[in-house]
Amino acid sequence: EVQLVQSGAEVKKPGESLKISCKGSGYSFTSYWIGWVRQMPGKGLEWMGIIYPGDSDTRYSPSFHGQVTISADKSISTAYLQWSSLKASDTAMYYCARHLVSSNYYYGMDVWGQGTTVTVSS
Amino acid sequence: SSELTQDPAVSVALGQTVRITCQGDSLRSYYASWYQQKPGQAPVLVIFAKNNRPSGIPDRFSGSNSGNTASLTITGAQAEDEADYYCNSRDSSGNHPFGAGTKVTVL
Repeated sequence: EVQLVQSGAEVKKPGESLKISCKGSGYSFTSYWIGWVRQMPGKGLEWMGIIYPGDSDTRYSPSFHGQVTISADKSISTAYLQWSSLKASDTAMYYCARHLVSSNYYYGMDVWGQGTTVTVSS
Repeated sequence: SSELTQDPAVSVALGQTVRITCQGDSLRSYYASWYQQKPGQAPVLVIFAKNNRPSGIPDRFSGSNSGNTASLTITGAQAEDEADYYCNSRDSSGNHPFGAGTKVTVL
């Protein structure tokens, strides 16, 4: 079964750092782009960026560039989303999702993780 | 522009047909994909590449595309189709923005 399993809920204070994870299984992890999607409480989905674990090529949404870091460790089939200094406005649900994309086509996000809740509060 | 525009909400009587639209310049070049999200759950892909359904998605869901507008149609809406629906595509910069979402209420 193809699946993405995310790390558990986090509660942090403003200014702290955080790294959440997304482990893929049931498919060739290095052959598909993996992306991150933010959903703030009661709001819609926001695309943050993607990484190709095969060569670590990474793209960011302009809204999130410089605010987060996306990385991957292909040896353990895991992608990461990282903050160096959290803000209260980072409080949200974060999903990872497998992207079906190449230079010529985009077929959407076919597999999603269960989500990781991040709460940032003093 | 990478912006995708959706109507905030639509309602449909049980068993009737509803169409949700998504407009954006990027849809002239790239297909839209559509996601269903129910409260407290992760999104689920329901339509990709204009009118393809992943395994397990009922055939009452269909998609279409014309110019800068993509549409998701639910033919014979069921109570379990009540959810938020998001369109998503790719733009010329390699970003993959979502629309703001449409809340579908089944009456």
